Amino acid sequence: AQSVTQLDSQVPVFEEAPVELRCNYSSSVSVYLFWYVQYPNQGLQLLLKYLSGSTLVKGINGFEAEFNKSQTSFHLRKPSVHISDTAEYFCAVSGRQGGSEKLVFGKGTKLTVNP
Amino acid sequence: EAQVTQNPRYLITVTGKKLTVTCSQNMNHEYMSWYRQDPGLGLRQIYYSMNVEVTDKGDVPEGYKVSRKEKRNFPLILESPSPNQTSLYFCASSIRTGKGGANVLTFGAGSRLTVL
Repeated sequence: AQSVTQLDSQVPVFEEAPVELRCNYSSSVSVYLFWYVQYPNQGLQLLLKYLSGSTLVKGINGFEAEFNKSQTSFHLRKPSVHISDTAEYFCAVSGRQGGSEKLVFGKGTKLTVNP
Repeated sequence: EAQVTQNPRYLITVTGKKLTVTCSQNMNHEYMSWYRQDPGLGLRQIYYSMNVEVTDKGDVPEGYKVSRKEKRNFPLILESPSPNQTSLYFCASSIRTGKGGANVLTFGAGSRLTVL
């Protein structure tokens, strides 16, 4: 079974500042990793995903994340945030083995970008 | 436009009055799932379906039913709603690539349900 811990429930930052949203996972098998974003009053949409290959993954809107197997982490970063990045961000993990589609979500991190 | 459509988007009801939240996708996806989102708890899976007539429980199935009679539709049924089912509900779907957990979910816009 997999589990996800998002270490910060809320992250306030100023516009144009860098941001890192932290995610750690636990799994007994190798994993696929995802970040989804939820803008106010909307459903979730995929930001980026790690399936295999390069551990640095680039997503939409200038976000990137790095898969660190030894640290079991998949932190999300952006070098300079905009007001429009205000949203809730969810880290999610699924297991590679067994063909299971089960996706386990973290509890979310609310990013607030202030002017 | 490829999308997952949920209805109603907002609903206030009373304890015990049966209701159905519909979900429809136009992408010919095999996999469909229902989640509920509660503050501080993130998203928790209620039920999922791997294909027509194949459904299974997620992490929080109590008080809910589903059916998958057609590929595009996956309704969520609350037979006797209670106040603890007040939540934001999301339907999601994905194409099954054979890589299991590598599939990317497409989410509906959400249905906010209040049970008084």
